[in-house]
Amino acid sequence: GAGVSQSPSNKVTEKGKDVELRCDPISGHTALYWYRQRLGQGLEFLIYFQGNSAPDKSGLPSDRFSAERTGESVSTLTIQRTQQEDSAVYLCASSSGTGLFVQPQHFGDGTRLSIL
Amino acid sequence: KQEVTQIPAALSVPEGENLVLNCSFTDSAIYNLQWFRQDPGKGLTSLLLIQSSQREQTSGRLNASLDKSSGRSTLYIAASQPGDSATYLCAVTMGAQKLVFGQGTRLTINP
Repeated sequence: GAGVSQSPSNKVTEKGKDVELRCDPISGHTALYWYRQRLGQGLEFLIYFQGNSAPDKSGLPSDRFSAERTGESVSTLTIQRTQQEDSAVYLCASSSGTGLFVQPQHFGDGTRLSIL
Repeated sequence: KQEVTQIPAALSVPEGENLVLNCSFTDSAIYNLQWFRQDPGKGLTSLLLIQSSQREQTSGRLNASLDKSSGRSTLYIAASQPGDSATYLCAVTMGAQKLVFGQGTRLTINP
């Protein structure tokens, strides 16, 4: 595809349910990132993948959050036992990885998650 | 801990004016700095990326400068148009390539 694709675009669920958010990066991009944007706040880094490994998970807010990446392609962010404070837009980005210079990150349109 | 600050938080100007958005960061050990644009309900669009060894980048009516030693960047928009209305985000890349974002400047260009 031409850009980063995220699904679903919107998700409404009840408190306590588990949710899965999906990200399809740009083909060939080895690096993949998840960010969160809560209402009225800036973007927060969650996790970074290089290939299928996650060398930096420092932004995951609790053990209810996990993410995986397979085939150096699709990534899934899972939130277990959702809480109202998890309501946010979850953004995924990909880049062609590192070389002499760090490459720009290209963002998807995000998944808007609302916890009732 | 890296902190990125953008001033002003909101800006409203008449069409045709030139304007400057400001970004400052506390830790100069950055790989690069990016300026993004975010339209309502949309993701981020990268506008300009300045590597840590560079001083400025230009794209069309946009010019971004970087002074790493003082921890400052500016985004200059020439001859503003209503289509430039959006939130502009500044972000620095730290180790492991994660981006640290400012809170953004919400720009409105009035016809």
